[in-house]
Amino acid sequence: QQQVKQSPQSLIVQKGGISIINCAYENTAFDYFPWYQQFPGKGPALLIAIRPDVSEKKEGRFTISFNKSAKQFSLHIMDSQPGDSATYFCASLGGSARQLTFGSGTQLTVLP
Amino acid sequence: NAGVTQTPKFQVLKTGQSMTLQCAQDMNHEYMSWYRQDPGMGLRLIHYSVGAGITDQGEVPNGYNVSRSTTEDFPLRLLSAAPSQTSVYFCASSQSTGKAFFGQGTRLTVV
Repeated sequence: QQQVKQSPQSLIVQKGGISIINCAYENTAFDYFPWYQQFPGKGPALLIAIRPDVSEKKEGRFTISFNKSAKQFSLHIMDSQPGDSATYFCASLGGSARQLTFGSGTQLTVLP
Repeated sequence: NAGVTQTPKFQVLKTGQSMTLQCAQDMNHEYMSWYRQDPGMGLRLIHYSVGAGITDQGEVPNGYNVSRSTTEDFPLRLLSAAPSQTSVYFCASSQSTGKAFFGQGTRLTVV
């Protein structure tokens, strides 16, 4: 039973374009929303994260937009580069066990 | 700073065999978790621990056991391997703030 739904499953973007990945969550107890980036053969690595008291967080070319009322959040990658080609996972965290619930992942390909 | 270390990186088992996947962290994190990653299904939580001596089941615990005798180590045991357990396994550690650090993964094939 997946509590975090992620789309699209795959995304192809031209170099310099904007990549947008969306996630929706169900559990209103979630209080931390990270995005992880994973390259082939590697473990996921934290890219950027947001807490629900803000609507947007920007770090370099990466921005999270958060809509608490809609229970949705998205990752925007500006000026996408071939080096951004990876799998991206959204996640949500909450509860006393402090465990992450992951989306199903988006495979991003940035064409040169 | 090693972070989270998993061993082995690759393993092939025969159906019915048992084995232990090792995970160690050197960041003094309270929380440790095991996930399996399968195509199109993201990372699914197998077992987790909120401190030494405390473990609990995640989303897909069947066929796996864990223990947490120290803060640093969190081994995952496959009791009797099945082909359905062919997957990539990741160990992670974190503090209560939520920022999790992952190991490099163990690619397991059960034949």
